[in-house]
Amino acid sequence: QVEVVQSEAEVKRPGASVKVSCKASGYSFSNYGFSWVRQAPGQGLEWLAWVSTNNANKNYARKLQGRVTMTTDTSTSTAYMELRSLTSDDTAVYYCARQRYPSTAMDVWGQGTTVTVSS
Amino acid sequence: SYVLTQPPSVSVVPGATARITCGGDTIGIKSVYWYQQKPGQAPVLVVSDDSARPSGIAERFSGSKSGSTAALTISRVEAGDEADYYCQVWDSDHDPVVFGGGTKLTVV
Repeated sequence: QVEVVQSEAEVKRPGASVKVSCKASGYSFSNYGFSWVRQAPGQGLEWLAWVSTNNANKNYARKLQGRVTMTTDTSTSTAYMELRSLTSDDTAVYYCARQRYPSTAMDVWGQGTTVTVSS
Repeated sequence: SYVLTQPPSVSVVPGATARITCGGDTIGIKSVYWYQQKPGQAPVLVVSDDSARPSGIAERFSGSKSGSTAALTISRVEAGDEADYYCQVWDSDHDPVVFGGGTKLTVV
């Protein structure tokens, strides 16, 4: 079945970087891109970025531009999101979601990766 | 930036119909997506492209749109429908993907 499995929870110090992975299975990886969405404790969903699986097309939320890098590895059907210069405001659950284009639905979601930023 | 406005909460008794709205300027020309998120779980797509129901989603879930408001309607509400619901659109002028603030559906 179609599935997206994310990496385990991370605890980071302020100023550090975190890299979250998202491994897809059950479908043709190259036919879909990925969006990254986060949810701070008790808050709503916040879209961060979208990447095509050939890494040629990327869209970023303006507030994160410059701090986030997204890549995909077609050999392992895995997408990655790296967020740099972490602050406590980055503490959240981070989700990847399959999305063919930014204008289409996020139809398959990962289980979420909790990132905690604390000194 | 583009803003989608949802009521913070909606309450309904079991068996009744719940209607969750999502307002936005020019929403009439955008495709609207709805997601259900139960506590501690990832979101699930329940309505795509304004009114299409993905495979596996109960017929009780339906989407509609009129003027500057989109709506998610849940018929014959069950206790298991208690969740947060988010609307989402694609906006070509600002951040491409925009979520509404979410609506907590309580089945009383």
